[in-house]
Amino acid sequence: GQQLNQSPQSMFIQEGEDVSMNCTSSSIFNTWLWYKQDPGEGPVLLIALYKAGELTSNGRLTAQFGITRKDSFLNISASIPSDVGIYFCAGQLQAGTALIFGKGTTLSVSS
Amino acid sequence: SAVISQKPSRDICQRGTSLTIQCQVDSQVTMMFWYRQQPGQSLTLIATANQGSEATYESGFVIDKFPISRPNLTFSTLTVSNMSPEDSSIYLCSVAGATGELFFGEGSRLTVL
Repeated sequence: GQQLNQSPQSMFIQEGEDVSMNCTSSSIFNTWLWYKQDPGEGPVLLIALYKAGELTSNGRLTAQFGITRKDSFLNISASIPSDVGIYFCAGQLQAGTALIFGKGTTLSVSS
Repeated sequence: SAVISQKPSRDICQRGTSLTIQCQVDSQVTMMFWYRQQPGQSLTLIATANQGSEATYESGFVIDKFPISRPNLTFSTLTVSNMSPEDSSIYLCSVAGATGELFFGEGSRLTVL
């Protein structure tokens, strides 16, 4: 089946640093999404990308849908302690259908 | 985004028993998705549930182990049958928003002793 390769697996950074994580696939997706999951919570949608090449921002978060439709990255600028959590990328073949998830990037921020 | 409520939020169960998880959505949706998240792992799709038809299960998941009901457009249940410690996971309900992205409930954390 399809798999998403998400990296890095974990990151330990200082408050104020920028962060970058990415996701690649062997298959094409029509939508790329990025979620954040806090302990004891369900994943929360951060950014959804619908077109190849699209660059979208949500506050300090910026994500891009790769031109080949097989990859995406998420950047977090000027990290703060509440950015701590697990970030998941997800690919979707058609709108409204099930997602395939990456393995997640665990972010730790020290103040 | 849809508001998704799951019950129970957590439970501790004995081996061999079954537990039914409920998912209630505040709007009518065509498809509902059930995911499993094993400890320290990513999310894996169990099945897709459409109202009025049998759920569609992913490879590795079977109806006898994870029966699903979808009686109307706002509600679904997932039962984890004959539980073993390997079933200890977070089970998550998900629905699609207006532009096709998925939203998740807070999950039901099951611990099987």
